[in-house]
Amino acid sequence: EVQLLESGGGLVQPGGSLRLSCAASGFTFSSYAMSWVRQAPGTGLEWVSTIRGSGGSTYYADSVKGRFTISRDNSKNTLYLQMNGLRAEDTAVYYCAKAGNEGWYFDLWGRGTLVTVSS
Amino acid sequence: DIQMTQSPSSLSASVGDRVTITCRASQGISNSLAWYQQKPGKAPKLLLHAASRLESGVPSRFSGSGSGTDYTLTISSLQPEDFATYYCQQYYSGPTFGGGTKVEIK
Repeated sequence: EVQLLESGGGLVQPGGSLRLSCAASGFTFSSYAMSWVRQAPGTGLEWVSTIRGSGGSTYYADSVKGRFTISRDNSKNTLYLQMNGLRAEDTAVYYCAKAGNEGWYFDLWGRGTLVTVSS
Repeated sequence: DIQMTQSPSSLSASVGDRVTITCRASQGISNSLAWYQQKPGKAPKLLLHAASRLESGVPSRFSGSGSGTDYTLTISSLQPEDFATYYCQQYYSGPTFGGGTKVEIK
């Protein structure tokens, strides 16, 4: 079955760190760019970061640049997001998403994992 | 960054109605536009990409059109399962999403 499954969310204090994981199955993981997209409570979607299939190139939204690091392990079919220096405004559901064949639209999404930043 | 302005932010419609949602980019995006449907508590679902290419399994009542900076999602005859929030997304340069359109039951 083609699916993405996120894990690693939870409650963290401001300034803290968290690492999210996304396990992929049912497709050739290394062939596709992968992304993280987040959604704060009651709001819209915000692209966070993308990594190319080879892992050689990474891209970040300005709001997380310098604090978050995206990576992947193609031998484990797993995507990661290391989040440091967390702020209250990082509170959101974080979705793992697979890029399409023709660009950085997202044709497969995980169910999401909730990150809450609060003291 | 390319900004995406979606309108309306919400609308009320009845089953069987024709519904149109508009997305305007702050610069030309060469049809690099996707539309998503999201239901409460669920992940977004891709409906169309390249402005008008319907994804496999998506009902044909959904269609997309547009060019340059202006794009439209049309639902030709609204069904009960279509009540949801819809988002546009440009992927011409650094992905950005529109603010969403909530389609509610009249």
